Amino acid sequence: QSVLTQPPSASGTPGQRVTISCSGSNSNIGSNPVNWYQQLPGTAPRLLIYSDSQRPSGVPDRFSGSKSGTSGSLAIRGLQSEDEAVYYCAAWDDRLNGIWVFGGGTKLTVL
Amino acid sequence: QVQLVQSGAEVKKPGASVKVSCKAPGDTFASYGITWVRQAPGQGLEWMGWIGASSGTTNYAQQVQGRVTITTDTTTNTAFMELRRLTSEDTAIYYCARVAQDSFDYWGQGTLLIVSS
Repeated sequence: QSVLTQPPSASGTPGQRVTISCSGSNSNIGSNPVNWYQQLPGTAPRLLIYSDSQRPSGVPDRFSGSKSGTSGSLAIRGLQSEDEAVYYCAAWDDRLNGIWVFGGGTKLTVL
Repeated sequence: QVQLVQSGAEVKKPGASVKVSCKAPGDTFASYGITWVRQAPGQGLEWMGWIGASSGTTNYAQQVQGRVTITTDTTTNTAFMELRRLTSEDTAIYYCARVAQDSFDYWGQGTLLIVSS
């Protein structure tokens, strides 16, 4: 069971906007930045969003992140077929001298 | 583009140990930490532990505490993850990643470990 809670699946049609939620607690999202990773089939994860809402260079501005309290959210606008992937949220957790925790992942299907 | 290059696939018997390597660009360990994350077949990402920049401070996930050791060799710019007393539940792809700005900004290509008798 993952420390951060994500919906197992999400879907949308090309051009739509979809959001993926990530719920945590005061010891992780409530007091530390949220990061999002994209994992395309058969590949290593890729950093998509860091520090709640920042995009690394090369990540399209169709991807955006936000945080409120102990929950984070990833939004994808103008959905494209190549966005079909599994998305993971992660955050530093202040318990046990500090650990990183992941969400269970959300499989995004582009219909 | 920062590249982390990991060692090749391994097949081990239960009870054995494995040591996976992750070669990084020359300046990495002075300024960045390295973390290890694994992914069992069909499952999500599981954080295993990390080693901090310069100081070499380590911290490990409870699930593998006592069986895992993460080290770096600054002479060869290589990080290592050793996992001992392997069981079938350790079968997974193991990834190293660079730690920057509280996130994992560059990842290795992954190393498949199969534990089977």
